[in-house]
Amino acid sequence: GESVGLHLPTLSVQEGDNSIINCAYSNSASDYFIWYKQESGKGPQFIIDIRSNMDKRQGQRVTVLLNKTVKHLSLQIAATQPGDSAVYFCAERGYNQGGKLIFGQGTELSVKP
Amino acid sequence: GAVVSQHPSRVICKSGTSVKIECRSLDFQATTMFWYRQFPKQSLMLMATSNEGSKATYEQGVEKDKFLINHASLTLSTLTVTSAHPEDSSFYICSAREQGNSPLHFGNGTRLTVT
Repeated sequence: GESVGLHLPTLSVQEGDNSIINCAYSNSASDYFIWYKQESGKGPQFIIDIRSNMDKRQGQRVTVLLNKTVKHLSLQIAATQPGDSAVYFCAERGYNQGGKLIFGQGTELSVKP
Repeated sequence: GAVVSQHPSRVICKSGTSVKIECRSLDFQATTMFWYRQFPKQSLMLMATSNEGSKATYEQGVEKDKFLINHASLTLSTLTVTSAHPEDSSFYICSAREQGNSPLHFGNGTRLTVT
């Protein structure tokens, strides 16, 4: 299930199940969105990106959905594995903002074997 | 693939001293680098944007005299935390991009502990 901790929401799933991680972004002028995975003590690792002229993009075991109407982004991970356990962040880039990325709150994914 | 290296990975310093963190792009030239700070169980907060050969642009609320950023070459940016205090203890992460709208590549962060 999903719960909200002191700072970081957590999502716990069983190995093999599909995971859905959600993100609400703030700037309606953002034109580019990225999902990152961050393992403990490391920097963010690129997972998948999507531009604002698309509403869905698929990668290997991952799918990103973008709903600009409600400013919502989701990351779907198929057949979740223990190695997927990490914190996941969405990030948005505003149009004409010098390329800087603004990160969302993040969700901690815990995969139970 | 593009690699961004940060050094040191961990540093402990005494209150009142200054600490320099280096961020290097190893196999590409980075016209722009970004510095983030991350507290435990929180998201990455953008501190500043660093462009090679010009002054850094700081985000609102970030003291430019306390967090000195230098981007003297296309492969190196440094962040100096001056007169560090325990509340500056955090995880500092840099990122770099080659040009235009190319993807951002992140370093592995520097854990700063101020005692």
